[in-house]
Amino acid sequence: AQKITQTQPGMFVQEKEAVTLDCTYDTSDPSYGLFWYKQPSSGEMIFLIYQGSYDQQNATEGRYSLNFQKARKSANLVISASQLGDSAMYFCAMRESPSGTYKYIFGTGTRLKVLA
Amino acid sequence: DTAVSQTPKYLVTQMGNDKSIKCEQNLGHDTMYWYKQDSKKFLKIMFSYNNKELIINETVPNRFSPKSPDKAHLNLHINSLELGDSAVYFCASSQVIDSLINEKLFFGSGTQLSVL
Repeated sequence: AQKITQTQPGMFVQEKEAVTLDCTYDTSDPSYGLFWYKQPSSGEMIFLIYQGSYDQQNATEGRYSLNFQKARKSANLVISASQLGDSAMYFCAMRESPSGTYKYIFGTGTRLKVLA
Repeated sequence: DTAVSQTPKYLVTQMGNDKSIKCEQNLGHDTMYWYKQDSKKFLKIMFSYNNKELIINETVPNRFSPKSPDKAHLNLHINSLELGDSAVYFCASSQVIDSLINEKLFFGSGTQLSVL
């Protein structure tokens, strides 16, 4: 079974608009972390935002915010005021700890295209 | 100073050859990882080492052998390369002391392996 699900293979958004990228996860570990990474066409993996399973408030980092709904097991990324440079692949990831190890599992990604 | 550096950036080789990818991190992290990103951009964990000890070994052909001479280095050796090994290989590191604390994965810039 998929542990991290990103149901949107591709998304378009108009420049300066907000966009939400969906992510659902599945774990029985009570303590876990959720991450979003950006991968531009140049290929590097850029960390965007983190949400811990015990965090009471939704995480925010500049134009990025994470809409964390624990009961629904979702961790959607919201990008406000989209810019052309936001065009990239976006990956949702979960860190869980089976048997005391720390394992980061990635979703299949969403390709975002920002339109001028 | 690059936090996680891997070499080479590009590797083009013939089927059947043996090749190695090197990775070094200067972050003082205890845990290092190898991920494979296929042509569909799916990121799959291959191996993880904690303080030179193998702790995660996903279902990977035994032609792939990781080696960690010390906790700052994790190399990947691949024997008898096959066409299906063509992918981008990412090295990464993290330091998870407390599962409640944000400890993101730091990625290297990736190695594009092309098997002809």
